[in-house]
Amino acid sequence: GENVEQHPSTLSVQEGDSAVIKCTYSDSASNYFPWYKQELGKRPQLIIDIRSNVGEKKDQRIAVTLNKTAKHFSLHITETQPEDSAVYFCAATSGGAGNMLTFGGGTRLMVKP
Amino acid sequence: DTGVSQDPRHKITKRGQNVTFRCDPISEHNRLYWYRQTLGQGPEFLTYFQNEAQLEKSRLLSDRFSAERPKGSFSTLEIQRTEQGDSAMYLCASSVLGASGYGYTFGSGTRLTVV
Repeated sequence: GENVEQHPSTLSVQEGDSAVIKCTYSDSASNYFPWYKQELGKRPQLIIDIRSNVGEKKDQRIAVTLNKTAKHFSLHITETQPEDSAVYFCAATSGGAGNMLTFGGGTRLMVKP
Repeated sequence: DTGVSQDPRHKITKRGQNVTFRCDPISEHNRLYWYRQTLGQGPEFLTYFQNEAQLEKSRLLSDRFSAERPKGSFSTLEIQRTEQGDSAMYLCASSVLGASGYGYTFGSGTRLTVV
């Protein structure tokens, strides 16, 4: 089955700096890669996603890049703000099992004002 | 209908007791998923329904776990003879088959504590 690894597990940045979180996946058939933000005690919320036919996608301060050959994808947050502080999860699916998602272990991002 | 609803939000139970959780998906979503999330970890897939049919179950779903989705609407997840290792957040999500995106929407979860 799919295995998703995520690094780093914690990330501390100064407000205004950029943050990068990286994930690798094992199943070459995976074709959809969402990123979720989860604040303490709240539900995971989709912040950006990318399909395997696209190499990069951007939404304001957030971007995701995908390297299918190397089987890794990354989340980039620019001009970080204190409200970006949360746990971020990457995930992957090959479409099997009704698009079951396999999640990475999470990255706790702390943005210091 | 503003999202995926889960009930209860918190449940504390004694080891050996049975518990049941409920999930109400977004009404037009025909796919419903259950995930389990332990502290500091990402959600892990448990099972999924397309309409009323349970089409996939993870090996994490032991015989003590059972899920139903009668009439393809709300779903219940029951855990029998709870163990301390069952303590976790149980998340429900729903999506629409054939949507342009995969569009998972998660509920707020039920946090189970087994004492």
